[in-house]
Amino acid sequence: EPEVTQTPSHQVTQMGQEVILRCVPISNHLYFYWYRQILGQKVEFLVSFYNNEISEKSEIFDDQFSVERPDGSNFTLKIRSTKLEDSAMYFCASSSETQYFGPGTRLLVL
Amino acid sequence: LAKTTQPISMDSYEGQEVNITCSHNNIATNDYITWYQQFPSQGPRFIIQGYKTKVTNEVASLFIPADRKSSTLSLPRVSLSDTAVYYCLSYMDTGRRALTFGSGTRLQVQP
Repeated sequence: EPEVTQTPSHQVTQMGQEVILRCVPISNHLYFYWYRQILGQKVEFLVSFYNNEISEKSEIFDDQFSVERPDGSNFTLKIRSTKLEDSAMYFCASSSETQYFGPGTRLLVL
Repeated sequence: LAKTTQPISMDSYEGQEVNITCSHNNIATNDYITWYQQFPSQGPRFIIQGYKTKVTNEVASLFIPADRKSSTLSLPRVSLSDTAVYYCLSYMDTGRRALTFGSGTRLQVQP
């Protein structure tokens, strides 16, 4: 069964550093998403991406964040100048009719 | 965007049938009801989706009455591995819209 994959599974970084989280969506899906979940809190939408551009973004997704589809298979989330409060699980999802989520990247900012 | 309401938590025992009810009084005509499951430190996993009446797959059944103001996720003969958080969402076209997750229902299955 096709699935969304994400790398790395865990990432530890120092405050102020940049991180890139990577996702490989399901191959025939056209819509891609990033969500995050701070420990003990709800899953929060960050951004959706379609046809090589952002289609929707939340208030969380400010200038610190960017997304890119650098090639035909990868979808990345870049977080510049990380802050302590960026520590969370980051989930990628892709969809045709239903959104399927990846296993997540646990980001810890020290 | 229809707001959904579901119990914060439920307890059950292995082998029992579990029914989780979700209320969505303001559901729009074009909205579908979708359920996701989430284990700790994992991404939400799609379980089932329906519009009305009953939908069944290998994991669960979804019952939606004619007025569509509520729905019930039914998990037959739960096991310890069904301990998770279950989210009810109501959306038109979940494949293209940002999903807004609530707090879900935390199901604890005891031996």
